[in-house]
Amino acid sequence: GAGVSQSPSNKVTEKGKDVELRCDPISGHTALYWYRQSLGQGLEFLIYFQGNSAPDKSGLPSDRFSAERTGGSVSTLTIQRTQQEDSAVYLCASSRGGDQETQYFGPGTRLLVL
Amino acid sequence: QKEVEQNSGPLSVPEGAIASLNCTYSDRGSQSFFWYRQYSGKSPELIMFIYSNGDKEDGRFTAQLNKASQYVSLLIRDSQPSDSATYLCAVNRRAAGNKLTFGGGTRVLVKP
Repeated sequence: GAGVSQSPSNKVTEKGKDVELRCDPISGHTALYWYRQSLGQGLEFLIYFQGNSAPDKSGLPSDRFSAERTGGSVSTLTIQRTQQEDSAVYLCASSRGGDQETQYFGPGTRLLVL
Repeated sequence: QKEVEQNSGPLSVPEGAIASLNCTYSDRGSQSFFWYRQYSGKSPELIMFIYSNGDKEDGRFTAQLNKASQYVSLLIRDSQPSDSATYLCAVNRRAAGNKLTFGGGTRVLVKP
């Protein structure tokens, strides 16, 4: 079936604006992950969903970042009052959950905060 | 000390040769180990995973795991120019919700 999809593919915003990034996981995948990849920081974990609940939010860098997942499917990552250091590629991954832990990544959203 | 360490490279190999990539990790509780390939401007693509000590082969790729030494490697046989990419090592711990901890990646250049 279709892979993980993310939208938008690119987003340019002004400092202080809010942005929403969307992830649509592979059908049937119960686990969903958000990661961020930026120069000098590598690929870092943000938040993990199992179903609609988020057992691990430990990677969210500040309270300006939040995420939700509805219907056990689509997830939205929201960044409020964006800062220039939020510029990065935001990657979403999904897995079947349980012991089926292999994660498959979407194409990412490239965020640039001016 | 970083949780997952890789040599950043670039690792330059001639076409047809074997590329050997190494990764060490600090958390002895790590249970699963993954190799992803990432082309410039693209997202990571899973190459293979390994859970048990020893070797695991998939086509031209072989992953090797040594939990006692906290070491995982990837061999690419008969390297092709299309293998030129950054290779990311990732580990997880199921008790930590399967989130992946990534190394910084090794850039591989295969020269014709």
